[in-house]
Formats: sequence, structure tokens, C-alpha cells
Amino acid sequence: KAGVTQTPRYLIKTRGQQVTLSCSPISGHRSVSWYQQTPGQGLQFLFEYFSETQRNKGNFPGRFSGRQFSNSRSEMNVSTLELGDSALYLCASRPSRNTEAFFGQGTRLTVV
Amino acid sequence: KQEVTQIPAALSVPEGENLVLNCSFTDSAIYNLQWFRQDPGKGLTSLLLIQSSQREQTSGRLNASLDKSSGRSTLYIAASQPGDSATYLCAVKLTSGTYKYIFGTGTRLKVLA
Repeated sequence: KAGVTQTPRYLIKTRGQQVTLSCSPISGHRSVSWYQQTPGQGLQFLFEYFSETQRNKGNFPGRFSGRQFSNSRSEMNVSTLELGDSALYLCASRPSRNTEAFFGQGTRLTVV
Repeated sequence: KQEVTQIPAALSVPEGENLVLNCSFTDSAIYNLQWFRQDPGKGLTSLLLIQSSQREQTSGRLNASLDKSSGRSTLYIAASQPGDSATYLCAVKLTSGTYKYIFGTGTRLKVLA
């Protein structure tokens, strides 16, 4: 059974640009959530989608957005990139709201 | 506001030693708690999930306990091996209906051969 797949694995962008990250959940999983991990702040929740609807959003500026498609694949977008957006972005999927979460390998974003 | 703390932040032990990692949370109204390991630059690997109604879960050499009333969980690793070297994170899910996990600060474990 394939795990959670995140693409790309590594990304280098320039300040002011925008970026789109992709997450394909485990087959049958309808819940996808996103987290940002930085050395200073640790793992922080960005948002979660379930059945194409955003169910919860963390305390991040509006530059961070996401969506989920009918096949449960999810994308997150960051516009007007700042140096502080450099981080490991992790995606997690689960079959339903109260079950175990499974994480992907992450996308390492570097903003220069 | 729920806060999750892990002590110690880093730990070095010789191979074969049994060890305990600690996770403390400030709000006992949790739905479940999950332990993860993270290798450098990699994603999170789920180790154990404990529902709020459970006291402990076991998987191989790992045993996790949960005491909601005191706001604590421990991860016990028996007969540690160099391959156990990683950062261990605990995360709590609140009962408020939110889907999000609140993560601890992590314990960086090094097992010396």
C-alpha cells in the first residue's frame, strides 16, 4: 500500500515568488492536513481538508492557502514568498477524523 | 491554550539501555495522543496512537502510556539500538472537533554503539 506522497521533495524559490506543493494521500484516506516545520517554531498546523472542504485553519497569514480535489489529493500554495517561509512542509492523511495520522516525507522549501 | 512539552530535549544512551521519553500537556481534554519518530530531513513515522480511553499501547520494543489526569505520556523503549537514533515527537488531538494535532518540542535521541 503506497504511503503519503509529497512532491516535489526539494524546492528553491526567490522572495516574492509563489509556490505550489502537492500531497497525494493514502488510497481511501479522505482527510489531509498540512504542517510547517522550522527549527525555531517546531511543527505548526496550517490547515486540514476533508471531502474537499477546509475544516480547520492554523494561525498563518492569508498568503498560505490550500485546496483538496475530489480524489482527495491536496495542494497548498504560498504566495509572495518570504525568507521566513523556508521550512519543511509536511502533509498527513488519515481515513477519518479520529484515526491515526500518516505523514509524507515532506517538501523542503528554501526561499532565497 | 494547549501546550505540549517534551523533556529532555536531547538524550544520549549506550546501546542496550532501556529509556523513557516524556511528554506533558497542559489541557487534559484530549481525544488521543500519537507518538512519532523523525529521522533527519525526513517525514514523521507513526509509532503508537493512544486513545483518551486507553492507558497504554505496545508495539514491539515500544510501550506508550497515557495519564490524562496528570497531563502526561511516556514512551518506553526497551533494549535501545543505534537504529533507534532519531527525534521523537508526541502530538495531542483536542476534543474540540478540530482535526489538528498540537506537537511537542521533540526529544533528540542518540543511541551509541
